[in-house]
Amino acid sequence: AQKVTQAQTEISVVEKEDVTLDCVYETRDTTYYLFWYKQPPSGELVFLIRRNSFDEQNEISGRYSWNFQKSTSSFNFTITASQVVDSAVYFCALSEAGGANSKLTFGKGITLSVRP
Amino acid sequence: DAGVTQSPTHLIKTRGQQVTLRCSPKSGHDTVSWYQQALGQGPQFIFQYYEEEERQRGNFPDRFSGHQFPNYSSELNVNALLLGDSALYLCASSSRPGSTEAFFGQGTRLTVV
Repeated sequence: AQKVTQAQTEISVVEKEDVTLDCVYETRDTTYYLFWYKQPPSGELVFLIRRNSFDEQNEISGRYSWNFQKSTSSFNFTITASQVVDSAVYFCALSEAGGANSKLTFGKGITLSVRP
Repeated sequence: DAGVTQSPTHLIKTRGQQVTLRCSPKSGHDTVSWYQQALGQGPQFIFQYYEEEERQRGNFPDRFSGHQFPNYSSELNVNALLLGDSALYLCASSSRPGSTEAFFGQGTRLTVV
C-alpha cells in the first residue's frame, strides 16, 4: 500500500526566512510519481510540482526548490525567503504509474504560517 | 478557459438524507476523480470516472456512488448521510493519456447535522 507521511503539522516563520517542508513516502511500485500541492484558504488545491521515480534531479523554480532522494524515500520542499502569501496548507502526494490519472495518496498536510 | 467547477459551494444536510454534488472538468479533460477531505486531514480518494465508467475506487462504502456524463461532467452521490460525511469534497480532472497534473476545483463543503 502507498503511504505519505508529513511529520510536521504546523510551521510558523517570519517573512524572509527559509523553510523546508518534509515528505516521506512508502510504495512497492518501481514507477511512481510524487507531487506537491498548495491549498490556500479558498480550498482549491494548486499544483506545484510533479516528479517521477526515475528523475532524481533537484528542481528549482523561483523561490521554490525540491529535493528528491530515493535512498531515503523523501521528497522535501524548500521555500527560500518566505513571504506572507506563502501561508497555506501544503500537501505531498504519491501516485502510481498512471501519474495524474491514477489516484493520489496524500499526506496530512503542513500548515505554514508566514508572519510579517 | 474555465478550470474545474464544482457546485454547490456549501451544503447543509440532515443525517439520513441523500446528497448530489456536481463537477465540470477543465476544458479538454476526460477523467474526473473525487476526493473527500475531512477537517485537518489530507484528501482521500473516493473514485475515478473515465469514459462514463468507474475505473478506480478507494476505501469508501457503497453509499458513495457516482456518474459521468457524455460531456465528461460528473456527479457524486452520497446516500444515508452520516455525521462523519461532513467534509470538503474535491473534484479533480485530468486527461488520458498521461496528464502531468490533476486540476482541482474549489470543492463543496458538506455539513451533515
